[in-house]
Amino acid sequence: GAVVSQHPSWVICKSGTSVKIECRSLDFQATTMFWYRQFPKQSLMLMATSNEGSKATYEQGVEKDKFLINHASLTLSTLTVTSAHPEDSSFYICSARDPLDRSNQPQHFGDGTRLSIL
Amino acid sequence: QKEVEQDPGPLSVPEGAIVSLNCTYSNSAFQYFMWYRQYSRKGPELLMYTYSSGNKEDGRFTAQVDKSSKYISLFIRDSQPSDSATYLCASFTGGGNKLTFGTGTQLKVEL
Repeated sequence: GAVVSQHPSWVICKSGTSVKIECRSLDFQATTMFWYRQFPKQSLMLMATSNEGSKATYEQGVEKDKFLINHASLTLSTLTVTSAHPEDSSFYICSARDPLDRSNQPQHFGDGTRLSIL
Repeated sequence: QKEVEQDPGPLSVPEGAIVSLNCTYSNSAFQYFMWYRQYSRKGPELLMYTYSSGNKEDGRFTAQVDKSSKYISLFIRDSQPSDSATYLCASFTGGGNKLTFGTGTQLKVEL
């Protein structure tokens, strides 16, 4: 079945640095990928929808200059957290939809990236 | 009001028990309903996926959707310790594939 790979799985860095997270669809081409953030014991909150070859669509309240999204190919989307601060520490999860999936399953999720800012 | 409401738990049951997990939603446009299982520090894994009202069974899992009352349920029969996880319900309209999640219910199945 469709697999979405996310890297790294865990990153710890100092406040003020930028962190890049990669999301890859391994056996299908994804024109659309989604980025979520999940705080402890809370649900997944959609941050942005990443569209291949065009600008990402951000949800209300999400700073586009803070969370840079690039979807340069049909199998790769990246999320860069710029000038990260401790309040950005969270679990970031990406997902992708296989447009050829006849079962119409909505999205396949990666295993997430745990980001800890010191 | 959140579009999808779910009791966060935690819910603790003995091994072999029948588990009932529930969500309510407010958006009448929702047509597709999912249940995801999420283990600690992992991404969500799709368990059940249904369209409109009705029941769907897969092994020990049964999903029910009642659109008239905007109620979503997941039943787990013969629960096992390996079922211990957080269960998230989610819905979408079918247009833009934008999922709306509940907060998740933490389930613990004890020996």
